[in-house]
Amino acid sequence: QQQVKQSPQSLIVQKGGISIINCAYENTAFDYFPWYQQFPGKGPALLIAIRPDVSEKKEGRFTISFNKSAKQFSLHIMDSQPGDSATYFCAASGTASKLTFGTGTRLQVTL
Amino acid sequence: EAQVTQNPRYLITVTGKKLTVTCSQNMNHEYMSWYRQDPGLGLRQIYYSMNVEVTDKGDVPEGYKVSRKEKRNFPLILESPSPNQTSLYFCASSLSPPPTVGEAFFGQGTRLTVV
Repeated sequence: QQQVKQSPQSLIVQKGGISIINCAYENTAFDYFPWYQQFPGKGPALLIAIRPDVSEKKEGRFTISFNKSAKQFSLHIMDSQPGDSATYFCAASGTASKLTFGTGTRLQVTL
Repeated sequence: EAQVTQNPRYLITVTGKKLTVTCSQNMNHEYMSWYRQDPGLGLRQIYYSMNVEVTDKGDVPEGYKVSRKEKRNFPLILESPSPNQTSLYFCASSLSPPPTVGEAFFGQGTRLTVV
């Protein structure tokens, strides 16, 4: 059972455009929602995270939007750059002391 | 430098031959976990450990064993590997378990092929 559903599976965006990746969760006990970025040959690294007490969090060009009632959250990458080309994973955590990951989105930013 | 070190990075083995993938962290983290990454399935947790001598099953524990005898080390053991365990494996550590806010640091990964 996939508790965190992520879309799209892959995404191609032109340089300077906005990349949007969406995630939906089922478990209402989740209360921590991080996004991880993974470059080829590397392990995932924390990009940005949010708690459900806020609807939006911004760090530089990266923004998480959170909709608690819809049980959805999304990552927006503004002014996307070729260096942003990577695989992005959303994740969620609650009382079970573990992270549940989405299936990943491969982002390619073209020149 | 803060890091999680996995060894080996690449491994090809035959069905049934016991193997161990080592994981070590130098950040004095209490929480460590193992994940496998498969195309289209994302990262799935195999086992996790809250502290020394405290381990528990994740979502896909079948065919795997772990131990946590020292705080820094968390080896993953495949006693009788099978081809369906061919995957990319990641070890991760964090100061405290989720959902406490805190970064999980991942190792570089171990690509395992079982033939």
